[in-house]
Amino acid sequence: QSALTQPASVSGSPGQSITISCTGTSSDIGGYNSVSWYQQHPGKAPKLIIYEVSHRPSGVSNRFSGSKSGNTASLTISGLQAEDEADYYCSSHTTSSTTVFGGGTKLTVL
Amino acid sequence: QVQLQESGPGLVKPSETLSLTCTVSGDSIRSSNWWSWVRQPPGKGLEWIGEISHTGSTNYNPSLKSRVTILLDKSRNQLSLRLSSVTAADTALYFCAREIASDAFGIWGQGTMVTVSS
Repeated sequence: QSALTQPASVSGSPGQSITISCTGTSSDIGGYNSVSWYQQHPGKAPKLIIYEVSHRPSGVSNRFSGSKSGNTASLTISGLQAEDEADYYCSSHTTSSTTVFGGGTKLTVL
Repeated sequence: QVQLQESGPGLVKPSETLSLTCTVSGDSIRSSNWWSWVRQPPGKGLEWIGEISHTGSTNYNPSLKSRVTILLDKSRNQLSLRLSSVTAADTALYFCAREIASDAFGIWGQGTMVTVSS
């Protein structure tokens, strides 16, 4: 299975909004509403911030939001804060009953 | 509070079998959840290895399927990972995780680093 496609890096200034895209195919993102997003700080385990395209787990800031259109999912972070600087990964269910991750995006807060 | 803790040898020789255990506390692996293994090579992204349900059903990453086995030990409330015929490419930080929704890993262990080297 091929990894989902994410930009290698994005950046933004405090207070701004950024969007990270995650592109797959009709066999994964396009076929299911099982897209998740994870935040990972260096040396830490990933943290789930969005599941089922747009749902936030309890305790996750409402500055994080998710959406999907066709074979592409997106994560938007509004009101960017220094603590948001991290790596972000998307994932999706696939037609093979497996899970596939994106390659990851490094977010830099300028 | 559900907690996951990975354990196992930190060093494995090439061609041998990597064996890891994930001990679950605060929840029963008999519960209606799926449990997964995910790995991350140094400086690289996440790779899903496979999953097991509370009934023992499994799904594996096609690229690893021929070498992977995931099992439940209900008496010890643990899941295990076995990866055979390892090479340097299997050097990674290995995580166990529990789904909280469809393919959404909401609970993670801290990870255990495994290096494949002679």
